[in-house]
Amino acid sequence: DVKVTQSSRYLVKRTGEKVFLECVQDMDHENMFWYRQDPGLGLRLIYFSYDVKMKEKGDIPEGYSVSREKKERFSLILESASTNQTSMYLCASSFLGQDYEQYFGPGTRLTVT
Amino acid sequence: QQQVKQSPQSLIVQKGGIPIINCAYENTAFDYFPWYQQFPGKGPALLIAIRPDVSEKKEGRFTISFNKSAKQFSLHIMDSQPGDSATYFCAATLYGGATNKLIFGTGTLLAVQP
Repeated sequence: DVKVTQSSRYLVKRTGEKVFLECVQDMDHENMFWYRQDPGLGLRLIYFSYDVKMKEKGDIPEGYSVSREKKERFSLILESASTNQTSMYLCASSFLGQDYEQYFGPGTRLTVT
Repeated sequence: QQQVKQSPQSLIVQKGGIPIINCAYENTAFDYFPWYQQFPGKGPALLIAIRPDVSEKKEGRFTISFNKSAKQFSLHIMDSQPGDSATYFCAATLYGGATNKLIFGTGTLLAVQP
């Protein structure tokens, strides 16, 4: 069974803290993605990566960075968390050239107070 | 041009009813249209997809209808069940190629009442 796991289901952080969200996939996928999900706004792409050490900006990269040191692991970093980054964060992965079939993790509900 | 517009935002139907979710796109280069289903507490999962060379695709109780000239596509759920209660996202992308982004609609929260 294919699996994308995210390090935390729920996370509460304070404004200004540095936050790390980790994602691991066991399907040997080349592509990995980070989205945030907000009511009425759907899924918005933050960053994606199609190879180790490669990264591409998505639609809303401001305030975020990413790291991909190993093929199976993709980290999302909030350098200085703000309250408007309170959201559900979803990680996904796919084979190269098959972005239409993405496998999602269960999500991390981040609250910044 | 990259947007996919989805409606309605929420939908309530009785068991056995046929909920219909509609999506519209602008970019005529899009050539693959998947639908994702998300249950509470889970990530979205691919449900069914269509390419524009066909007008309809059925998988079990789920049917996608596609109107290329109108740049619209819709999801119908036949004989809906309470277990179909979920959030549904339409999406659009370019099929094949090295890396193409999925452009998601804003989602429809479906509740099927017993």
